[in-house]
Amino acid sequence: GENVEQHPSTLSVQEGDSAVIKCTYSDSASNYFPWYKQELGKGPQLIIDIRSNVGEKKDQRIAVTLNKTAKHFSLHITETQPEDSAVYFCAATNSNSGYALNFGKGTSLLVTP
Amino acid sequence: NAGVTQTPKFQVLKTGQSMTLQCAQDMNHNSMYWYRQDPGMGLRLIYYSASEGTTDKGEVPNGYNVSRLNKREFSLRLESAAPSQTSVYFCASRTTGFTEAFFGQGTRLTVV
Repeated sequence: GENVEQHPSTLSVQEGDSAVIKCTYSDSASNYFPWYKQELGKGPQLIIDIRSNVGEKKDQRIAVTLNKTAKHFSLHITETQPEDSAVYFCAATNSNSGYALNFGKGTSLLVTP
Repeated sequence: NAGVTQTPKFQVLKTGQSMTLQCAQDMNHNSMYWYRQDPGMGLRLIYYSASEGTTDKGEVPNGYNVSRLNKREFSLRLESAAPSQTSVYFCASRTTGFTEAFFGQGTRLTVV
């Protein structure tokens, strides 16, 4: 099955700095890569996603890049704000597993004022 | 719009007891999923239902059973709870394909 590795497990940045979280996946059939944000006591929420036919996608301060050859994808958050503090999860999936999402272990991001 | 509703929100069980976690979605989604979340382990897939009438095992199915009661509801049953099943359980749903998965608020289960 799909194995998703995520790094780092914790990340601390100062407000205004950029944050980068990286993930690798094992199944070359995977072709959908979403990122979820989880705030304390809540369920994860989608913040951005990318499909395998796209190399980069941006939404305001958030961007995701995908390198299918190397099987890795990254989340970039620019101009970080304290409200960006949360746990972020990457995931990968394909049609072989009913589109079930396989998650990385998460990155706890802390943005300090 | 309620989205994905899980009940109960909290539960304490004794080892060997059984219980069912309920999940319902009102978004007419085809696919539903059960995950467990443990510290440092991320979200691990227990079971999923790609469409009404089908269920499949995920990464960690041992000790659990599921029922896709209808298109809206997907329940998770622990027949004989064990301390290793202490976790936060999340239900999620989505339409078929590469679409956003919506998660419930979670059920925090403690087995003593």
